[in-house]
Amino acid sequence: LAKTTQPISMDSYEGQEVNITCSHNNIATNDYITWYQQFPSQGPRFIIQGYKTKVTNEVASLFIPADRKSSTLSLPRVSLSDTAVYYCLVGEPPTGTASKLTFGTGTRLQVTL
Amino acid sequence: EAQVTQNPRYLITVTGKKLTVTCSQNMNHEYMSWYRQDPGLGLRQIYYSMNVEVTDKGDVPEGYKVSRKEKRNFPLILESPSPNQTSLYFCASSPLGGPPVGYEQYFGPGTRLTVT
Repeated sequence: LAKTTQPISMDSYEGQEVNITCSHNNIATNDYITWYQQFPSQGPRFIIQGYKTKVTNEVASLFIPADRKSSTLSLPRVSLSDTAVYYCLVGEPPTGTASKLTFGTGTRLQVTL
Repeated sequence: EAQVTQNPRYLITVTGKKLTVTCSQNMNHEYMSWYRQDPGLGLRQIYYSMNVEVTDKGDVPEGYKVSRKEKRNFPLILESPSPNQTSLYFCASSPLGGPPVGYEQYFGPGTRLTVT
């Protein structure tokens, strides 16, 4: 399983764009990159997933370079409610084969006024 | 409403007293999983299940048991709890399959367990 490395914490002001990078040097060919958000005392919530290049949804963008050894979650114009822990997860989806999933320790994002 | 439920939400018990934490999902998902979360260690997978009667170990299975007799339920069993199993536990489910399904795990609200 690909091990992931993220910054432990980040600070931002409201309205700014936040980029959180995840390093996964030994990512496998079949691995996808998924990001989750977790608020205190709640279960994680899916944000976005991708395999290569760029993926965008209504919440965030995910940038993946050609070598796929890292990925960057981009949160546009953060607000106080984006204060949370963000997890990068690398692995195959549950397709019937390898389905052990490993979360990293996450990045604690603190947004202030 | 599509959801994953866990019971109990909070539990304080003593060393050695067997306990079960229940997990149920109403989305007809094949894949279910248990995680524990400890400060500084993030989320660690305990066990997972690909479908009924199919379970496998995650990263930290020692001291835990699971069963999957029905598709919707995936209980976590601690036969002889110890203080080092004091943690926040999450159950999750997802459908099987490649993109676009299979990546979005739905998590329960968590069970905070204290073993004294």
